[in-house]
Amino acid sequence: NAGVTQTPKFQVLKTGQSMTLQCAQDMNHEYMSWYRQDPGMGLRLIHYSVGAGITDQGEVPNGYNVSRSTTEDFPLRLLSAAPSQTSVYFCASSYSKSGRGNEKLFFGSGTQLSVL
Amino acid sequence: KNQVEQSPQSLIILEGKNCTLQCNYTVSPFSNLRWYKQDTGRGPVSLTIMTFSENTKSNGRYTATLDADTKQSSLHITASQLSDSASYICVVVTGANNLFFGTGTRLTVIP
Repeated sequence: NAGVTQTPKFQVLKTGQSMTLQCAQDMNHEYMSWYRQDPGMGLRLIHYSVGAGITDQGEVPNGYNVSRSTTEDFPLRLLSAAPSQTSVYFCASSYSKSGRGNEKLFFGSGTQLSVL
Repeated sequence: KNQVEQSPQSLIILEGKNCTLQCNYTVSPFSNLRWYKQDTGRGPVSLTIMTFSENTKSNGRYTATLDADTKQSSLHITASQLSDSASYICVVVTGANNLFFGTGTRLTVIP
């Protein structure tokens, strides 16, 4: 099993550019989410989805867009990149459709994004 | 305010020694507490998940404890190995399934 796969691993953008971070899981998980990790801060939830066609905002959703057309894929779109979006982005998934609960959360290996 | 605080921020130990990492939280209502290991350049990997009724849980050389009354948890690593060098993150989950992440403890094991 590949688990949770994120691409690209590294990305450099100029201010104002847009891009999509890809996330795919092969575990048939209903729940998928995106986090950002910044130095000196805990991971913060950007957006999440409890199933295909269902998405919702997390703690820091501004400047990001998501969609969930299939169970496997959950891309994160940066609409107009800003230096404040320089961060490491993690996709995570779990089996539970009801939310995070006691289900183990599986993380991808991350995308390091720099916005100049 | 819901917060998760971890100490120390960083720790250096000799290979073969034991160490204990601390996690204090003010998150409420409590559902479960998790410890994750994050290697450099990788995503976090789950070590343990403890509910309110569990006060100890082990995963190999990793033993987590939970005192729900004092809202404290610890992660004890026995006979450390070089591969234990990583960040260890404490996460507290509320009854509404919201996750609160600590900032982590950076452990370095030296030969």
